[in-house]
Amino acid sequence: EPEVTQTPSHQVTQMGQEVILRCVPISNHLYFYWYRQILGQKVEFLVSFYNNEISEKSEIFDDQFSVERPDGSNFTLKIRSTKLEDSAMYFCASSSDRENTQYFGPGTRLTVL
Amino acid sequence: KNEVEQSPQNLTAQEGEFITINCSYSVGISALHWLQQHPGGGIVSLFMLSSGKKKHGRLIATINIQEKHSSLHITASHPRDSAVYICAVGGGLQGAQKLVFGQGTRLTINP
Repeated sequence: EPEVTQTPSHQVTQMGQEVILRCVPISNHLYFYWYRQILGQKVEFLVSFYNNEISEKSEIFDDQFSVERPDGSNFTLKIRSTKLEDSAMYFCASSSDRENTQYFGPGTRLTVL
Repeated sequence: KNEVEQSPQNLTAQEGEFITINCSYSVGISALHWLQQHPGGGIVSLFMLSSGKKKHGRLIATINIQEKHSSLHITASHPRDSAVYICAVGGGLQGAQKLVFGQGTRLTINP
């Protein structure tokens, strides 16, 4: 069964460093999402992406964040100049249609020291 | 802005019991999702529904659009059902549909 994959599974970085979280969505999916979950809190929407552009972004998704679909298969989330409060589990998801089920990747646990 | 509330926050039951988890939301939606989050953190989609009722194995999900309320039921619960169950509602602008999540219900089924 097709699945969304994410790498790395765990990333440790120093405050102020840049990180890139990578996702490979399901191959025929057209809608892509990044969510995050700070430990002990609810899952939060970061950004959605369709037709090679951002559809919507949350107030969390400020200039520190960017997304790309560089090669038609990968979907990346870049965090510039990481802060301690960026420590969280980051989930990528994809869906075949706007109204369809979103399939989640296993997550990348980001720890900022 | 849609607010999603789940109850209870924690639920402990004995194997075999019938389980109900509730979800309420504040603004009209296009679809409601029930998700399961495993202890390792992974999220699995269980149901997506916009009306009525859906059943998959021992899991049943219902939604009442007028009352802005949904329930997830588990029949003949088993220790392997222990997980966090999350309700999320779909909405957002044109293009991709973002999900707004509830805080989750931590379910523990004891043998």
